[in-house]
Order: sequence, then structure tokens, then C-alpha cells
Amino acid sequence: AQSVTQLGSHVSVSEGALVLLRCNYSSSVPPYLFWYVQYPNQGLQLLLKYTSAATLVKGINGFEAEFKKSETSFHLTKPSAHMSDAAEYFCAVNEAGYQLTFGKGTKLSVIP
Amino acid sequence: DAMVIQNPRYQVTQFGKPVTLSCSQTLNHNVMYWYQQKSSQAPKLLFHYYDKDFNNEADTPDNFQSRRPNTSFCFLDIRSPGLGDAAMYLCATSGGQGDYEQYFGPGTRLTVT
Repeated sequence: AQSVTQLGSHVSVSEGALVLLRCNYSSSVPPYLFWYVQYPNQGLQLLLKYTSAATLVKGINGFEAEFKKSETSFHLTKPSAHMSDAAEYFCAVNEAGYQLTFGKGTKLSVIP
Repeated sequence: DAMVIQNPRYQVTQFGKPVTLSCSQTLNHNVMYWYQQKSSQAPKLLFHYYDKDFNNEADTPDNFQSRRPNTSFCFLDIRSPGLGDAAMYLCATSGGQGDYEQYFGPGTRLTVT
């Protein structure tokens, strides 16, 4: 069965500092992995996805994530946080089916 | 732009009064999903359609029903809303047949009074 663990329900960073949001997954087959962002009272927007091609995935808004099979991780990073990055971020795993399993989410605050 | 549209964005209903939420898509995707998301929680899958085939999650209450009259539209019916059904309801689509990325609509915020 697939599962996702996001370490840290809240993360605060200063504007201009590195953003690191952690995601570990469990999957019995090579997974598809996703990061979504959600702003208040909005739907989920896809930031990036891993679908068994390059292990370093670049997404929108300057975010990227690296798939590390040995660590079963898919951490999200951005070199320099911007105020507009303040939102909730969800990591999700899909075992090539129709069930998308989400982590519990990490709320990112950016301090001016 | 191809997209997933949900109407209304905000819905207020009374306890026990049936309510219907609407979702439409211009992506021509085979699969449509309904999620419930409560405050500060991850989205929880209620059910999905692959074309006309309906797939209910085991723990989805009977109070929640869905209809998909054609490829573009899908409806979520809550037969007798309770206070615990107040949540954000998200519709999503995916292409199916190896395309597993899900595209989400903006959501409908349901309030039950």
C-alpha cells in the first residue's frame, strides 16, 4: 500500500532563505510522485511531478524536487523564498492507478 | 484554456437540506474525482468515475452520491447534509490510460447551518 509522510506540519523561513519541505513515501511499485500547492480557499495546483524520468525534477515558481529511491524521499526545495510562496504544500504518491495518496500537508510561512 | 470548473465557489445549505455541487471540465479527460477536504487536512477521495464506471471509496458515507451524465460534467449530491459535512469539495480529472496527473478545480466551500 502506498503512503506519504511529510515531516513538519508548519515550516517558517525568512524571505530569501532556502525552502526545504520534506516528503518520504512508501510504495510497493515504482511510484509517480507529485507536489501540489494550495492557497487559502483555492484548489490544488501542481508544482511538479516525478514519473520515472529524470530524478531531479524542476517545477513552476522556481521549485524543484529530487527523487531518491534509496531514501524513499522526494523533498521539495527552492533556493530563495518569496512572500508569495506562503501556502500549504502537499506531497502525493500514485502507484500507477487512480488512487492519489496525499501527505498531511506542510504549511509554509515566509517571514519578511 | 482547458480547465476544471466548479460551481458554485461557495455554497450555504441548511442541516438536512439536499445540495448538489457541480463540476465541469474542458480537458476531455476520462476520469473525474470528488474529494472532501476539511480544515487543515489533506484531501480525502470520496469516489471517482472512469468514463461511466463509478468507483466508490469504501468509507464514503451513503449520504454522498454522484452522477456523471456525460464526459464533461460530474455532480456531487449530498442527500442530507450534517454539520460534519462542512468542508471544501474538490473536483479533479485525469486522462487515464497511463496519464495519472490529476488536475484540480478551484473547489466549492460548503457551509451547513
